[in-house]
Amino acid sequence: ELKVEQNPLFLSMQEGKNYTIYCNYSTTSDRLYWYRQDPGKSLESLFVLLSNGAVKQEGRLMASLDTKARLSTLHITAAVHDLSATYFCAVYETSGSRLTFGEGTQLTVNP
Amino acid sequence: GAVVSQHPSWVICKSGTSVKIECRSLDFQATTMFWYRQFPKQSLMLMATSNEGSKATYEQGVEKDKFLINHASLTLSTLTVTSAHPEDSSFYICSARDPWFGGLGYTFGSGTRLTVV
Repeated sequence: ELKVEQNPLFLSMQEGKNYTIYCNYSTTSDRLYWYRQDPGKSLESLFVLLSNGAVKQEGRLMASLDTKARLSTLHITAAVHDLSATYFCAVYETSGSRLTFGEGTQLTVNP
Repeated sequence: GAVVSQHPSWVICKSGTSVKIECRSLDFQATTMFWYRQFPKQSLMLMATSNEGSKATYEQGVEKDKFLINHASLTLSTLTVTSAHPEDSSFYICSARDPWFGGLGYTFGSGTRLTVV
């Protein structure tokens, strides 16, 4: 059974600071997704990482994937308040053609 | 990009009644749709995979007679919560594999907040 673990689960940071969210998973997969969820809303797609060594960047967010280590990171650069949300990683499970989600990281960026 | 429309956005129903939630792919055909449930401050848990023209595949522990899924066309899947009880109150989200990213992307509906009183 695929397990996906994120850490930290809660992150409070100041504007302008950098931080990284980690996503570990337990079985082989070559596809990983990052989503953002605002309170009371559905999921917004951020990144799709499709191969080992993949790196994607959009604005202050950068995601990477190391399939050998079964690890993905979401790096936040010079955080701003608008980035406050919950971030989920989701790993593609080949056997069921479905996504398994991590627990989510609730990010709060303080002025 | 791909759009998945989900209705209603919120619904309040009395215990013992049934509620139907619709999920439509607006600008693409979705042979497969996914239904998730999310309790407050928790992650998304896959309930079932809905396949057009065939029976849904339910995850372990999900009662198929309680959560009826119908995927009668390539653009519509429905989830009916039958004989709802307060413990069924949750945020339900549908998802479909969209044709962008070489068919590897997933687009999510806006979600339905169900409150059973």
